[in-house]
This record gives sequence, C-alpha cells and structure tokens, in this order.
Amino acid sequence: GENVEQHPSTLSVQEGDSAVIKCTYSDSASNYFPWYKQELGKGPQLIIDIRSNVGEKKDQRIAVTLNKTAKHFSLHITETQPEDSAVYFCAASIESGGGADGLTFGKGTHLIIQP
Amino acid sequence: DVKVTQSSRYLVKRTGEKVFLECVQDMDHENMFWYRQDPGLGLRLIYFSYDVKMKEKGDIPEGYSVSREKKERFSLILESASTNQTSMYLCASSLLTYEQYFGPGTRLTVT
Repeated sequence: GENVEQHPSTLSVQEGDSAVIKCTYSDSASNYFPWYKQELGKGPQLIIDIRSNVGEKKDQRIAVTLNKTAKHFSLHITETQPEDSAVYFCAASIESGGGADGLTFGKGTHLIIQP
Repeated sequence: DVKVTQSSRYLVKRTGEKVFLECVQDMDHENMFWYRQDPGLGLRLIYFSYDVKMKEKGDIPEGYSVSREKKERFSLILESASTNQTSMYLCASSLLTYEQYFGPGTRLTVT
C-alpha cells in the first residue's frame, strides 16, 4: 500500500518568514495530493490540493509543488501570520472514478509562528 | 457549507463495553470515512463506505465494524472496547471528488 513520509514534525518560523513542509510518497500510481490544516480542537480542513497532471498550484499565500519523478510534494506558505499556526497534514491517493478510496496521510507537521 | 457532525466530542467508556460513534453529513455525499488520529501517527483509515450498506476495510480495521443504513449516517462500532482504542476518531465525507470534509472528532477514552 501507499506510504507517505512528512518532514519536519515541528517547524518554528518568525512571523513574516516562509515555511516549507515536505512529503514523499511510495506508490507511483498515486495522482491526488491534498494538504489539510488542523487547528486545535477541530477536524482537518482542506487548504489546497494538486493532481499529477500539474507541477505547481498557488492560492494566495500558499502553494504546492509536485515532482512525480522523485515522488515528492511540498507545501509553501509565504508571509506567515499567527493564524497559520496549526498542524498540517499531507496525503496521497489514487483518484479513480468514484472518489471512494481513503487518503493515506503523513504524520503531520506542527507549524509554530513566532511573533 | 458542508457539515459533518459527530455525536459526541468526548466519550469515556470501560474496557469490554460496546461503543457506538455516530457521524452524520448533510450534503448528500456518497462516500464516508472513519479515521483514528494518534500523536505521532497521523490519521489512519479504519473503514470507508461508498454507498448505503456498502463498506470497505481501510488500513486498520481490526477491532472495529461499521454500519451505513442511511446515506447521511455512518456509524463506527467497537464491539468490545480495549484501552488501545483510546484515540481521537474523525469522520469524513466526500462527493465524487476526493475533497474530504471532516467532522470535529470524538475523543474516546477507554479505561
């Protein structure tokens, strides 16, 4: 089955700096890669996703890059703000017609924004 | 807005008890999922369902069963709770795409 590795487990950055979280996956058939943000006491929330037919996707201050050859993908957050403090999870899946398969998640990165 | 609700935020049960965790979604989604979340292990898939009365095992189904009698409701059952099932349980739902919407979670403690 799929295996997703995520690094680092904890990341502390100064407010205004950039943060990068990296993930690798094992199954070359995986073609859908979402990123979730989990705030304290809440369930994970999708913040951005990328499919294997593109190499990069951007949404305001967040971006995700995908390298299919190396089987890794990364989350980039620029101009970090206090509200970015949370646990971030990457995930991978094989997207087929029905969307029913579960996601395989990384172990999470605790992002801390220092004021 | 998609809403996924879980019956309890916190639950304390004794070893050997039968435990039901309920999840309801209000967006007519076909697919529903149960994950457990443990520190340092991330989220792990227990079971999922792509239709009423259909279920598929995830990565860690041992000790659990599920029930989906109605489209909007997906129940996770611990037949005989054990202390190693103390965890945060998260329910999610999705339409035909892969965007999964999560509930707030149920923190279960088995003593």
